[in-house]
Amino acid sequence: AQRVTQPEKLLSVFKGAPVELKCNYSYSGSPELFWYVQYSRQRLQLLLRHISRESIKGFTADLNKGETSFHLKKPFAQEEDSAMYYCALSSYSSASKIIFGSGTRLSIRP
Amino acid sequence: KAGVTQTPRYLIKTRGQQVTLSCSPISGHRSVSWYQQTPGQGLQFLFEYFSETQRNKGNFPGRFSGRQFSNSRSEMNVSTLELGDSALYLCASSSGGKEDTQYFGPGTRLTVL
Repeated sequence: AQRVTQPEKLLSVFKGAPVELKCNYSYSGSPELFWYVQYSRQRLQLLLRHISRESIKGFTADLNKGETSFHLKKPFAQEEDSAMYYCALSSYSSASKIIFGSGTRLSIRP
Repeated sequence: KAGVTQTPRYLIKTRGQQVTLSCSPISGHRSVSWYQQTPGQGLQFLFEYFSETQRNKGNFPGRFSGRQFSNSRSEMNVSTLELGDSALYLCASSSGGKEDTQYFGPGTRLTVL
């Protein structure tokens, strides 16, 4: 079964500390992995996707096929990073059918 | 470019009624996907329409249906509403290619009493 697991509902770190949001997935083929973010009172938006291998707002995520993980990392958290983060996957054949994890609320303490 | 718009933003219905939600995609986008977001189940894919045809479907009962018009605007209909249908309904649009980014609307908050 296709599934995305985010084990932490809430993650609270101090400003300047490293951040790691965990994501594990279950998929029988080769999925495309994403991180979406929703800031307070804003729309859900794409943060990054594994195929682009970019760093967005200082965040990076590496796809580990052996561990079926796609953890989101940032070396130094900033207060504006406080938001809800969703890990998600889709297949290349059904790119618009996105399966989301349950989300992790990241809170950055000053 | 104007973003994805959804109407109405808030809706209150009673059990047994039906409801229609509307989504206008970004200009030029041909794909519209619908999602249901609830505290218990999170974000769940409902269906996707591309060029007026349903291209993908999630695991929702037949009470949930949709359609897409020639201008790519999409409507979602829920018949015989149940209390559990109370949710935030999000739509997202993209150009429809395999590596395209989906852009989400603000959602319609449906409350079923």
